[in-house]
Amino acid sequence: EVQLVESGGGLVQPGGSLRLSCAASGFTFSSYAMSWVRQAPGKGLEWVSSITGSGGTTYYADSVKGRFTISRDNSENTVYLLMNSVRAEDTALYYCARVRGASSAWHFTDWGQGTLVTVSS
Amino acid sequence: EIVMTQSPATLSVSPGERATLSCRASQSVSSYLVWYQQKPGQAPRLLIYGASTRATGIPARFSGSGSGTEFTLTISSLQSEDVAVYYCQQHNIWPLTFGGGTKVEIK
Repeated sequence: EVQLVESGGGLVQPGGSLRLSCAASGFTFSSYAMSWVRQAPGKGLEWVSSITGSGGTTYYADSVKGRFTISRDNSENTVYLLMNSVRAEDTALYYCARVRGASSAWHFTDWGQGTLVTVSS
Repeated sequence: EIVMTQSPATLSVSPGERATLSCRASQSVSSYLVWYQQKPGQAPRLLIYGASTRATGIPARFSGSGSGTEFTLTISSLQSEDVAVYYCQQHNIWPLTFGGGTKVEIK
């Protein structure tokens, strides 16, 4: 059974940093690209970032480019999202999601339960 | 970026009746269109990929159609457990984009 467990969310001040983690199990981690998708309170889904199975290629939404960094450790079956220079508009539930393939078919077959990030002073 | 527009925003349907949800892309996404279901308090779940292929374990009452810029998700006979928000997403061109969602309610 595929399991994705996010952690690392919490309250952070504007301009601060936070690192989210997503621990994966139940599949061959390095064979799948991974992504982060967020959902602001009461709002819809917004894609944030993706990384290929090898970790060699990354993609970012314009809203986070230059501030967030996605990475993965295939030996630890974990994907990360380092969030720098956070803003109030980054407040959201952050989901970790498994992509259908290693570097293509960029939609999400499995989702974690999310970790909440609140940006406030 | 490709803008995905879903309509209607809210759909009220009687149990057992058909529900038809629409998703329009601002430019062609070919068949790189998926649908997700998000029930209250839960993570999204993949329903349809490739515009018309049901994901594993999805009941046959859910069907998808369309290509290019116009797509439809149909629930042939609405059940109470289908109350949810439904999102479309394109993955033809970066950045990946979602529609704003259609909330399906029981009338």
